[in-house]
Amino acid sequence: DGGITQSPKYLFRKEGQNVTLSCEQNLNHDAMYWYRQDPGQGLRLIYYSQIVNDFQKGDIAEGYSVSREKKESFPLTVTSAQKNPTAFYLCASRVPNTEAFFGQGTRLTVV
Amino acid sequence: DQQVKQNSPSLSVQEGRISILNCDYTNSMFDYFLWYKKYPAEGPTFLISISSIKDKNEDGRFTVFLNKSAKHLSLHIVPSQPGDSAVYFCAASGANNLFFGTGTRLTVIP
Repeated sequence: DGGITQSPKYLFRKEGQNVTLSCEQNLNHDAMYWYRQDPGQGLRLIYYSQIVNDFQKGDIAEGYSVSREKKESFPLTVTSAQKNPTAFYLCASRVPNTEAFFGQGTRLTVV
Repeated sequence: DQQVKQNSPSLSVQEGRISILNCDYTNSMFDYFLWYKKYPAEGPTFLISISSIKDKNEDGRFTVFLNKSAKHLSLHIVPSQPGDSAVYFCAASGANNLFFGTGTRLTVIP
C-alpha cells in the first residue's frame, strides 16, 4: 500500500531542545517537501529535495535542517535556533508536474 | 514575499450554487498549478491541476481556469455541496519547488 508516512503524530519539545520529525514514502518519488502550517495560516515551504543528497531552502528555512540520504526518507530537524517552533508540520512527495501526496502531519508543541 | 496569494480568507455559498475560489501568483516561471482541499489536523487532499499550456481543466464538478497573462487561476465548484466545506489551497510549481497560498475557507450552506 503506497503512501507517505509522518511520525510521530504529536511531539513535545522543551525549550532549547532539537527534535527530528520523520517522513518516509514508498511511492518512488524523487521530490520531497516540508511545510509548516500555523493556525489560520497557509502552508509555508521550509525545505525541499529534488534528489538524494540534494536539498534547497524554502521560504522559512532558518532554524531547521534536513537530510536526504535515501530516496524514501526526508527527516526534518527543528533546532533550538527556531524560536517559534509550535506548528503543524506536513511532508509531501511528488513526481515533477504531478500532484503532491501529503502525510497526515506532525503537531509540534513547545512545553 | 508570498509568491502565491489567495486574497479571500473565507467564502460562503448556498448549496447547489457555484463556488468560485481565486488565486494569484507572482512568479512567471511557475508552469504547473494545483488545488487542494484540507481539513484541520490532516494533510491536504489533491483536487485538480492544470499545466501552463492549458487554460482550462475540468474534472466532474471541479473546473480550474488559468489566465497566464494575469497570473491568475480560479477553481469553480458546480454545484456546491455541504461536503465541500473545507479550506482550499492553491499551489504553484516551477523547477520542482511547490508553493502554496494562504487558503480560502469555503462554507456551503444547506
